[in-house]
Amino acid sequence: KNEVEQSPQNLTAQEGEFITINCSYSVGISALHWLQQHPGGGIVSLFMLSSGKKKHGRLIATINIQEKHSSLHITASHPRDSAVYICAAFHSGGGADGLTFGKGTHLIIQP
Amino acid sequence: DSGVTQTPKHLITATGQRVTLRCSPRSGDLSVYWYQQSLDQGLQFLIQYYNGEERAKGNILERFSAQQFPDLHSELNLSSLELGDSALYFCASSVHGGRVNEQYFGPGTRLTVT
Repeated sequence: KNEVEQSPQNLTAQEGEFITINCSYSVGISALHWLQQHPGGGIVSLFMLSSGKKKHGRLIATINIQEKHSSLHITASHPRDSAVYICAAFHSGGGADGLTFGKGTHLIIQP
Repeated sequence: DSGVTQTPKHLITATGQRVTLRCSPRSGDLSVYWYQQSLDQGLQFLIQYYNGEERAKGNILERFSAQQFPDLHSELNLSSLELGDSALYFCASSVHGGRVNEQYFGPGTRLTVT
């Protein structure tokens, strides 16, 4: 069964702290997607990656295919980063089961 | 703003009823995906259309159906509604049909079944 596990489930930090959110998956994947969901419900795509590392502003995403693990890092965190962060795995086998979501990490950045 | 539009934003209806949710993809995107987000299940992939044809099916109930029209907008039809169908329904679009593509999400339709 394709499973995606995220940790931590909830995270509260102070403004300026370095944040790490982890995502592990159980079977081989073609790519992994990091999404941000704002308190109002809207979803924004942050990264899609299949190897290595990507950076956009204060956000960095890494993936280790061998270890079946990805991390999302936020540097110099800010209260506006408060959101739910969701990873979604595109599994190598494709098909209807080929897209699996983690349950999300609820991040709160306090001023 | 992702460029993906969804209507309506909110929908309140009664059990047993039928509703239609509408999605317009970003200009130039050929593929539309539908997702359901409920409190207990999280985000789940329902179905994907590419250029008018069904491309992949996920955890979509038989009471639900979708289609993509020649102008590429898509509709998700939910019938014989149950309380458990209350959820946020998102559509997303991408340029190509393969699901390993960056997807752009619409603002969602919040469905409440009473």
